[in-house]
Amino acid sequence: GNSVTQMEGPVTLSEEAFLTINCTYTATGYPSLFWYVQYPGEGLQLLLKATKADDKGSNKGFEATYRKETTSFHLEKGSVQVSDSAVYFCALIAGFQKLVFGTGTRLLVSP
Amino acid sequence: DTEVTQTPKHLVMGMTNKKSLKCEQHMGHRAMYWYKQKAKKPPELMFVYSYEKLSINESVPSRFSPECPNSSLLNLHLHALQPEDSALYLCASSQVRDRSGANVLTFGAGSRLTVL
Repeated sequence: GNSVTQMEGPVTLSEEAFLTINCTYTATGYPSLFWYVQYPGEGLQLLLKATKADDKGSNKGFEATYRKETTSFHLEKGSVQVSDSAVYFCALIAGFQKLVFGTGTRLLVSP
Repeated sequence: DTEVTQTPKHLVMGMTNKKSLKCEQHMGHRAMYWYKQKAKKPPELMFVYSYEKLSINESVPSRFSPECPNSSLLNLHLHALQPEDSALYLCASSQVRDRSGANVLTFGAGSRLTVL
């Protein structure tokens, strides 16, 4: 079946540090890939998406590239801010199947 | 309007109570979803409605009863819940899924339920 594996958290960084959160996937067919973000006490917000191989999704300084050869969709940001502290979920959907989430990675950014 | 609105934001209920969670969207989406999220876990799918018809029930106990009265509204009726049902309940909506799989789910802020 389809699955998503994310790096364990929490990831703890200082403000302006470089961020990478790893995400790899297993899927039949050609999935679409997503990063969702959940701020404390809130629901999930779509951060970015990519629907085919080599697509790069980007939003608010975050980027992720759909790598079919390594089945990866790692999230990166060049300079994190305290306001980026949240839980980040990698997810995929393939064909008519349901959205599958990774376990989530908590990011803590200190001033 | 690009929002999914959920009410109430917080709900405390006893095990013998009957209550409902409500969800509303005005984006013209014809697929609506209920998810359950426990602390420090990813959301788990409970139900999917497509064109106001129940299309997926992820073997959810019958004490949770979904209802989709029209294309904009989704309810989750709660009865005889257990303390372990305490969680954040998230509603989401999307265009009806197509073969591209690229449909994006828009989530509400959630209803935090505590069962005493």
